[in-house]
Amino acid sequence: AQSVTQLGSHVSVSEGALVLLRCNYSSSVPPYLFWYVQYPNQGLQLLLKYTSAATLVKGINGFEAEFKKSETSFHLTKPSAHMSDAAEYFCAVRPISGSARQLTFGSGTQLTVLP
Amino acid sequence: EAGVTQSPTHLIKTRGQQATLRCSPISGHTSVYWYQQALGLGLQFLLWYDEGEERNRGNFPPRFSGRQFPNYSSELNVNALELEDSALYLCASSPRVDQPQHFGDGTRLSIL
Repeated sequence: AQSVTQLGSHVSVSEGALVLLRCNYSSSVPPYLFWYVQYPNQGLQLLLKYTSAATLVKGINGFEAEFKKSETSFHLTKPSAHMSDAAEYFCAVRPISGSARQLTFGSGTQLTVLP
Repeated sequence: EAGVTQSPTHLIKTRGQQATLRCSPISGHTSVYWYQQALGLGLQFLLWYDEGEERNRGNFPPRFSGRQFPNYSSELNVNALELEDSALYLCASSPRVDQPQHFGDGTRLSIL
């Protein structure tokens, strides 16, 4: 079974500082990996996805993530935080093949951006 | 392009009642997924429909059920509601099973 661990349920950064949200996965084979963002009272918005092409993936709003097989990690970064980045971020995995195509989510990281 | 739409936005029920939640996928998307986001429990997979068939279900009791219609819209039915069913129910759709899922804004179900 696949699982996702997001280290740090709450992360605070100053506006303009680097954002680093951590995600590690557990899977017998490298899965597809995703980062979603959830703003208050909204659904999930896809930030970026890794589907076994380039290991460095660029997403929307200046976010990017790097797939590291040796570390089973898919950390999300943004060079300079903006106040509008304050939200909850979810890392998710999905098998590449098989009958279980649903997403398995991490527990989420609440990002606070300080002025 | 219209996104995934869910109705109603909010639903208030009492214990023992039945709830029906609706989801319209993005045009051209044939797969619909349902997830539950309950306080303290995170996002959990409920059901997956593709081409009108239930393809997989999560670890939920049988009183959680649903269906997918010929136009690919979907319903989630929850019978014999319990207090712990209070949650945000999210619907997602994808054009094919190997494509990313796009989410609606959810239905907030409150059980009194």
